[in-house]
This record gives sequence, C-alpha cells and structure tokens, in this order.
Amino acid sequence: NAGVTQTPKFQVLKTGQSMTLQCAQDMNHNSMYWYRQDPGMGLRLIYYSASEGTTDKGEVPNGYNVSRLNKREFSLRLESAAPSQTSVYFCASMRGSTSGFYEQYFGPGTRLTVT
Amino acid sequence: KNQVEQSPQSLIILEGKNCTLQCNYTVSPFSNLRWYKQDTGRGPVSLTIMTFSENTKSNGRYTATLDADTKQSSLHITASQLSDSASYICVVGDNYGQNFVFGPGTRLSVLP
Repeated sequence: NAGVTQTPKFQVLKTGQSMTLQCAQDMNHNSMYWYRQDPGMGLRLIYYSASEGTTDKGEVPNGYNVSRLNKREFSLRLESAAPSQTSVYFCASMRGSTSGFYEQYFGPGTRLTVT
Repeated sequence: KNQVEQSPQSLIILEGKNCTLQCNYTVSPFSNLRWYKQDTGRGPVSLTIMTFSENTKSNGRYTATLDADTKQSSLHITASQLSDSASYICVVGDNYGQNFVFGPGTRLSVLP
C-alpha cells in the first residue's frame, strides 16, 4: 500500500516548455486534488476531482489543465510553463468530500523550477 | 474572504518543553478543522480532525482545541521531541463539499 505517489520529484523547465505531473493513489479514494505550496503561503487548490470523470477548478487554475484518467490517477499539465509556476506541487486524495470527516492523504510533492 | 491565520509564524523551544500554536479562521460555512504536520520536503500528514461540536481531540502528545464561537483553535504539544520539528498547518473545511482553506503554517524547531 503506497498511498499517494507523485512523479517526478524534481523538475526544471525553461519558460514555454510543457510537462505533466503524475499522481496515483491506491486507496480507492473518490476525491483527488492538486495543490501548490509557495513560501509563506498556505496550500492553494489548483484543480480537484470529486469522482472519476469529473474535474473542477480551484482557487488558482490559470495555466494548468488536469485529467482524471481513472479512479487511481489524476494528472496535472502545464502547457506553457512560466516562472510564476515555480512552486512545490502536492497531489492529495480523500475518500469523500470536505464536508465529511475523512482524512486527506498527500503525496511527497514535486518541486518545479521554471527558468 | 475565507481565511485561516496562524501564530506565531515560527517558534523555537527546548526538547521536553510544551508549546501551543494558534489558529484563527473566517471560513463560512464551517464544517471541520484539521491540523497537519509537515516535515521538511514531505507532504502534510493529518494529526486531528474536529467538527463544530467537538471542543478537543488528542493524538498522542498532540491535543487540539476548538472554539467555534470565537473561530479559534489551538494545537498543544506536550513534552516536545526533536522529531516534532516541522511546520504545523491549520486547515478549515467548508460545508459546500470541496473547499479546504489552508493556513500558512507555524514553523516549530525543537532544540536539544
């Protein structure tokens, strides 16, 4: 039982390049999330998926796209990277919704630098 | 605007001492409040989850309190250990179903 896994762990991109961050969970959770964490700020929601086949925008979706490939996997794509997207990205999963009292499980994070 | 504030921003204590971290929130409608521990270079890990009807919840040496009337919470760490050195994040979930509001965290350093 690996929990939530993310690849890659580190990535350096040049401005304008594209890449996809991968996330998978093996806990049969319905909800999956992508957050970014910047110094001095709380985690901010980029996109979430309440169930397989659905995705919704969070607080900071501009410049990102997501795909809920199946119940296990939720990917985040940067089509044209910008220096403002330099951040640590966390994927998370949870059995139900935030109004319930389920634990949210986080992956180890991807540290992305855009030059 | 929904916000979660935490204080202090950072804290240094000696091993074996107790400490209390504070969290104030303005999230509405409120559903639940969580405390997470985040070690450097790792993802956050859940410590406690409390609903509006719960005043206190413990997880080993960690005890969280909640005052839903004043919209304040605290996390008390007893008999601190070196491994408690981490960031502690307060998170509030709303009642709409998909929104968590994260505080900026308190960075705790426990020195020998």
